[in-house]
Amino acid sequence: GQQVMQIPQYQHVQEGEDFTTYCNSSTTLSNIQWYKQRPGGHPVFLIQLVKSGEVKKQKRLTFQFGEAKKNSSLHITATQTTDVGTYFCAGPRLTGGGNKLTFGTGTQLKVEL
Amino acid sequence: DAGVIQSPRHEVTEMGQEVTLRCKPISGHDYLFWYRQTMMRGLELLIYFNNNVPIDDSGMPEDRFSAKMPNASFSTLKIQPSEPRDSAVYFCASSLDTPSTDTQYFGPGTRLTVL
Repeated sequence: GQQVMQIPQYQHVQEGEDFTTYCNSSTTLSNIQWYKQRPGGHPVFLIQLVKSGEVKKQKRLTFQFGEAKKNSSLHITATQTTDVGTYFCAGPRLTGGGNKLTFGTGTQLKVEL
Repeated sequence: DAGVIQSPRHEVTEMGQEVTLRCKPISGHDYLFWYRQTMMRGLELLIYFNNNVPIDDSGMPEDRFSAKMPNASFSTLKIQPSEPRDSAVYFCASSLDTPSTDTQYFGPGTRLTVL
């Protein structure tokens, strides 16, 4: 079945350093979503990418969808303590009964002062 | 809008007891999802509903788990009997449109501990 893997699993950075997490799917995706979960919180939607090679920016966050639509990345420039949390990618998966999102394994980001 | 509402926020129970988790989706959202999150298995979809009808329950671990959605504004996830391995955070989420393309809005979650 479809698997969505993320690397790295954990990342510790010093405040001000850059951070990147990568998402890889075993199958081609029609779109990909990214969510952020703060410690003790719940996943919160960040963005959706649809087009091959698409790049979107949200302030210091840059999201990219691969040309083959099987991978994606999230890059944070000059991390801040507010960036702490776990970042998940999620891709659609068709099933016999309908369609649903498969969440990646997540990358936990810790930012040290 | 208040967002997705879940209750209780925390639940501690003993093995063998029945546990009922509750969820109120965002008004007007046609889809409702139940997820379970653990360190070992990550975020897993248990079941989802469309217009109160269960569409995919392939993620429900076993017969001890059941979910209902009697109306558009309320859903329950029941575990009977509960076991220690059921300890996890259970999230309810809702979306306006099809889950493969639309944003999902998560509730604050219920942290379940089964002793």
